[in-house]
Amino acid sequence: AQSVTQLDSHVSVSEGTPVLLRCNYSSSYSPSLFWYVQHPNKGLQLLLKYTSAATLVKGINGFEAEFKKSETSFHLTKPSAHMSDAAEYFCVVRKTNDYKLSFGAGTTVTVRA
Amino acid sequence: SAVISQKPSRDICQRGTSLTIQCQVDSQVTMMFWYRQQPGQSLTLIATANQGSEATYESGFVIDKFPISRPNLTFSTLTVSNMSPEDSSIYLCSAGTSGGPNINEQFFGPGTRLTVL
Repeated sequence: AQSVTQLDSHVSVSEGTPVLLRCNYSSSYSPSLFWYVQHPNKGLQLLLKYTSAATLVKGINGFEAEFKKSETSFHLTKPSAHMSDAAEYFCVVRKTNDYKLSFGAGTTVTVRA
Repeated sequence: SAVISQKPSRDICQRGTSLTIQCQVDSQVTMMFWYRQQPGQSLTLIATANQGSEATYESGFVIDKFPISRPNLTFSTLTVSNMSPEDSSIYLCSAGTSGGPNINEQFFGPGTRLTVL
């Protein structure tokens, strides 16, 4: 079965500094991987997705993630954090040919002024 | 992309009662799902809502507790039956397509925040 592990439950950064959210996956098949963001009292929004094309994936709001098969990782980065990036971030895996999603535990990002 | 709305957005209910949550998608979709997000937790898949047939439930979830309907390709309901305080959660509907430019993506509704007293 596929699963994801988000290595940090909470990340705190200063505004303007880089953000790194770590995610490792486990899958017996070639997975599709996603990062979703959830702002307080808002719905989930897709940041980016990896579906076996380019290993470096660019998403919305300046986020990007790199799929590394050798490390089974899909870490999310942003070069410069903004106050509006404060939210909950979920790494998600979907097994190929299966539409069910498995969510990581989530990483809470706080941004200090 | 698909736009998903849910009703109600939130509710406070008494234990032993039932609540039906509605999910409406603005376009025809292949798949619809229901998730639960307990306080401070991640999302857990409850079931896949199948159009015109019984839903497919994940381990730990049963039809008697969470009956689901999906009468057409754009609408689904989830009922939380005989509620207890442990059912207090956010319930989210999602939808996706098996083809087209948004293949592999799931879009999520804003969620229904349920509190059971």
